Amino acid sequence: DQQVKQNSPSLSVQEGRISILNCDYTNSMFDYFLWYKKYPAEGPTFLISISSIKDKNEDGRFTVFLNKSAKHLSLHIVPSQPGDSAVYFCAALHSGYALNFGKGTSLLVTP
Amino acid sequence: KAGVTQTPRYLIKTRGQQVTLSCSPISGHRSVSWYQQTPGQGLQFLFEYFSETQRNKGNFPGRFSGRQFSNSRSEMNVSTLELGDSALYLCASSSGTDNEKLFFGSGTQLSVL
Repeated sequence: DQQVKQNSPSLSVQEGRISILNCDYTNSMFDYFLWYKKYPAEGPTFLISISSIKDKNEDGRFTVFLNKSAKHLSLHIVPSQPGDSAVYFCAALHSGYALNFGKGTSLLVTP
Repeated sequence: KAGVTQTPRYLIKTRGQQVTLSCSPISGHRSVSWYQQTPGQGLQFLFEYFSETQRNKGNFPGRFSGRQFSNSRSEMNVSTLELGDSALYLCASSSGTDNEKLFFGSGTQLSVL
């Protein structure tokens, strides 16, 4: 049972534009959400996170938005750069339990 | 500080064999988690060890097992390999008190023929 869903397997964006990656979850007990970035042949690396008590967290070009009522979060990358091309995983946590990951969205930023 | 180290990087086995994968966490980290990544399935949680005890377990059959040593190094074992076990196996470590921020190794790519 997939509790974290990333419904877009892939996304293509032009360099300089905004990339928006979406994620939905089903478990209302999740209280912490994270985004990881993965390049081929490497492990995922932590990108940005947000607690359920917030609705927005920003770190440089990356902003994560959380809509608890809709059980939806999104990652915005502005401006997108070719080096951002990677697979992005959304993950959610209920304290004391393991991280639940989505299936990932492959982002391609074209020059 | 050295990162999470997984060995070997690549492994080829045949059906029915068993395999052992190794993970050395970041120094000072006491929690080690294992994930399986397959195309189209994302990262699926196998189990987590903290101070040599299994703390969490995912929905994998008993053929998948693990252990953690007193120095926090962890091993994962898969017995009676099946073709469907072909995947990238990722190990992640954390302090154990801040489980949100997992630090991943580069993984072991297992191919079962």
